[in-house]
Amino acid sequence: NAGVTQTPKFQVLKTGQSMTLQCAQDMNHNSMYWYRQDPGMGLRLIYYSASEGTTDKGEVPNGYNVSRLNKREFSLRLESAAPSQTSVYFCASSEAPGMNTEAFFGQGTRLTVV
Amino acid sequence: KQEVTQIPAALSVPEGENLVLNCSFTDSAIYNLQWFRQDPGKGLTSLLLIQSSQREQTSGRLNASLDKSSGRSTLYIAASQPGDSATYLCAAPDRGSTLGRLYFGRGTQLTVWP
Repeated sequence: NAGVTQTPKFQVLKTGQSMTLQCAQDMNHNSMYWYRQDPGMGLRLIYYSASEGTTDKGEVPNGYNVSRLNKREFSLRLESAAPSQTSVYFCASSEAPGMNTEAFFGQGTRLTVV
Repeated sequence: KQEVTQIPAALSVPEGENLVLNCSFTDSAIYNLQWFRQDPGKGLTSLLLIQSSQREQTSGRLNASLDKSSGRSTLYIAASQPGDSATYLCAAPDRGSTLGRLYFGRGTQLTVWP
């Protein structure tokens, strides 16, 4: 059982380039999330999707866009990468809005913007 | 906004010790709290989800408690082993929210030496 799968695992971008981070889950979860993890800042929510067809901003959405392609897939796009977006990006999913919202995480995408 | 604090930031102990990791949160009207483990360069692995009605949850040598009235959770690790070395993160949701958006502490980096 794969759980949450992220691609790519590593990426180096030049300032101004664009890219899309892919995430897919095979647990039939309704909710999906994108976080970034930075030293000294911990994990912060970028965007989330409570259910298929809906997306909402988290704590740090500037410079990012998302697409909930279907129930399984939730992508994160950087339109014009900046060095401040150098980070480790994690995708997560949980069953549904509700009290038993245990979140499961992917292995992360390590992005460097030079 | 929910704020989560973890103490201590780092802990180094000999094998066999019983450990207590602390987590505090500011908004106590939460439905659950989750503990994660993160190995270097890896994603987050869910350890325990405590629902507010449970107050305590156990998995093997791990026991997590939740005291909403004081805004605290503790993770107890019995008979620690070198394989327990990792960063432990706690995460709490928005006050009164069931959407699964999580706010993370900065973690406790645990080293267990033989």
